[in-house]
Amino acid sequence: GDSVTQTEGQVALSEEDFLTIHCNYSASGYPALFWYVQYPGEGPQFLFRASRDKEKGSSRGFEATYDKGTTSFHLRKASVQESDSAVYYCALGDHSSGSWQLIFGSGTQLTVMP
Amino acid sequence: EAAVTQSPRNKVAVTGGKVTLSCNQTNNHNNMYWYRQDTGHGLRLIHYSYGAGSTEKGDIPDGYKASRPSQENFSLILELATPSQTSVYFCASGDVGNNQAPLFGEGTRLSVL
Repeated sequence: GDSVTQTEGQVALSEEDFLTIHCNYSASGYPALFWYVQYPGEGPQFLFRASRDKEKGSSRGFEATYDKGTTSFHLRKASVQESDSAVYYCALGDHSSGSWQLIFGSGTQLTVMP
Repeated sequence: EAAVTQSPRNKVAVTGGKVTLSCNQTNNHNNMYWYRQDTGHGLRLIHYSYGAGSTEKGDIPDGYKASRPSQENFSLILELATPSQTSVYFCASGDVGNNQAPLFGEGTRLSVL
């Protein structure tokens, strides 16, 4: 079945560092790809989505580009802040059934030190 | 403002007891979802719904039932709770037709003793 792999379980950075969180997927069809962010004690918040090869999604300074060739959707940010500390989830979804049934990766805990 | 509200926020249940988790959305979304979150697994889909009266099985439905009596409300029911169902449960609503990605509630922490 379809799956999402996030290779980094934890990432620790200092403020103003460049961030990359890797996300690779395996899917039989042509899914949409999502990034969500979760702060402590809250539910996941939608960051952005991309639906086509080479499409870039972005929000709040974060961005990722859908790459069908490498089956990847890596999250990047040029300069992180302490307030970016959270868990980040990559997900894929196929809406052909009329519903987003998202499949999530295991998440990456980002800690940004001042 | 779009909102998904879950109740209760915390619940302690006994093994073999019945547990009902409730979710209400004010977004007028057609689709609603129940996920559970466990360390190392991310979020996994339990049940989902296309609209009032509809419930569908997700990836891990065993031991769970769902009910969608109205557009706004979607419940998750554990008829015979087990300790393996101790987890954090999230409800979400979304709408493919309006290109709306799922929006999540704040979660319910369930402990089954």
